[in-house]
Amino acid sequence: GNSVTQMEGPVTLSEEAFLTINCTYTATGYPSLFWYVQYPGEGLQLLLKATKADDKGSNKGFEATYRKETTSFHLEKGSVQVSDSAVYFCALSDSLDSGGGADGLTFGKGTHLIIQP
Amino acid sequence: NAGVTQTPKFQVLKTGQSMTLQCAQDMNHEYMSWYRQDPGMGLRLIHYSVGAGITDQGEVPNGYNVSRSTTEDFPLRLLSAAPSQTSVYFCASGRSNTGELFFGEGSRLTVL
Repeated sequence: GNSVTQMEGPVTLSEEAFLTINCTYTATGYPSLFWYVQYPGEGLQLLLKATKADDKGSNKGFEATYRKETTSFHLEKGSVQVSDSAVYFCALSDSLDSGGGADGLTFGKGTHLIIQP
Repeated sequence: NAGVTQTPKFQVLKTGQSMTLQCAQDMNHEYMSWYRQDPGMGLRLIHYSVGAGITDQGEVPNGYNVSRSTTEDFPLRLLSAAPSQTSVYFCASGRSNTGELFFGEGSRLTVL
């Protein structure tokens, strides 16, 4: 079955530091990959996505590249801000390969990121 | 711009009581789902639906029922609440062919 593994944290960084959150996956098909972000007291919201190998997703200064050879989708940001403090979830969906009919995303356990001023 | 609306936001139940968590979306999405979020466990899929009249079980369906009579609504029912169902519940919707989901703000349930 599908699975996603990510570092759980908490990860504590100083403002303007470089961020990497590792994510690796196991999937039987050709999944799409996602990063979701959850701010305190809120639901998850999509941060970025990539639908095929070597695609790079980017949004709000965050980037992640779909690496099929290493089955990875690591999240990076060059200079983090206090407002980036949140929980970050890596996820995959193989619904596109099955011809539609999303039967749910498979999520990692989430990485709690704390940015100190 | 309502998106996905969940009610109630907070609920306390006694063991054995029943209740329904409501979920409504106004984006005409075919796909809707319920997840529970527990510390150290991430999000786990309870039930999902790919259209009105169609539902299926996810990873942790026991103790929960769902129905999908309209495209907009996807209620989650707890028939006899147990302390193990204390959790934060999220409803999500999306288009079946993208895998991208839109989440509600969550419902925090405590079962005593």
